Amino acid sequence: DAKTTQPNSMESNEEEPVHLPCNHSTISGTDYIHWYRQLPSQGPEYVIHGLTSNVNNRMASLAIAEDRKSSTLILHRATLRDAAVYYCILRVLAGGTSYGKLTFGQGTILTVHP
Amino acid sequence: ETGVTQSPTHLIKTRGQQVTLRCSSQSGHNTVSWYQQALGQGPQFIFQYYREEENGRGNFPPRFSGLQFPNYSSELNVNALELDDSALYLCASSSRGRGEQYFGPGTRLTVT
Repeated sequence: DAKTTQPNSMESNEEEPVHLPCNHSTISGTDYIHWYRQLPSQGPEYVIHGLTSNVNNRMASLAIAEDRKSSTLILHRATLRDAAVYYCILRVLAGGTSYGKLTFGQGTILTVHP
Repeated sequence: ETGVTQSPTHLIKTRGQQVTLRCSSQSGHNTVSWYQQALGQGPQFIFQYYREEENGRGNFPPRFSGLQFPNYSSELNVNALELDDSALYLCASSSRGRGEQYFGPGTRLTVT
């Protein structure tokens, strides 16, 4: 599995934007970039995913570098509820269909200060 | 639309015993994956089920087995429990062909 590298922890202030980086220099052409987050005492929560183009949804934006070797999850206005562990995951497309395996690393612990 | 549910919430078992954990998929989802999350670690993939058949497996021994039922709900069975099996067990459902998975709250298993 292609590997991702994330900072162990980051801090932000409430209502400020947060940029969470992820390096994935060994990404292959068919790997999708997924982001999940896990709030304390909960299961992981899907945030966003993309392949080549930048993506936006109601939760966040995903900026993907042109060479796809890195990406950034952007939370536009952090809230206290956004304090969580954020996982950047490369998901393999196998045989033309999505294969279920998500390989989680250690993730980035995001702390949001009031 | 109901989300993914898991039962029980917590469970305490003794080493050597067997355990069954249950998962109900989100409505409309036909694929179920199971993960084990040790304290302080990211979830580790156990296996995935699609159309009632195992469709991918992580690095877990055969004493970890599963079932998927026609209504897409699923069970995880663990035989001969070991102390290291103590963890949060997560179930995730998804629609075949779509990337995102939706996780349940997990079952906290403690093996003494």
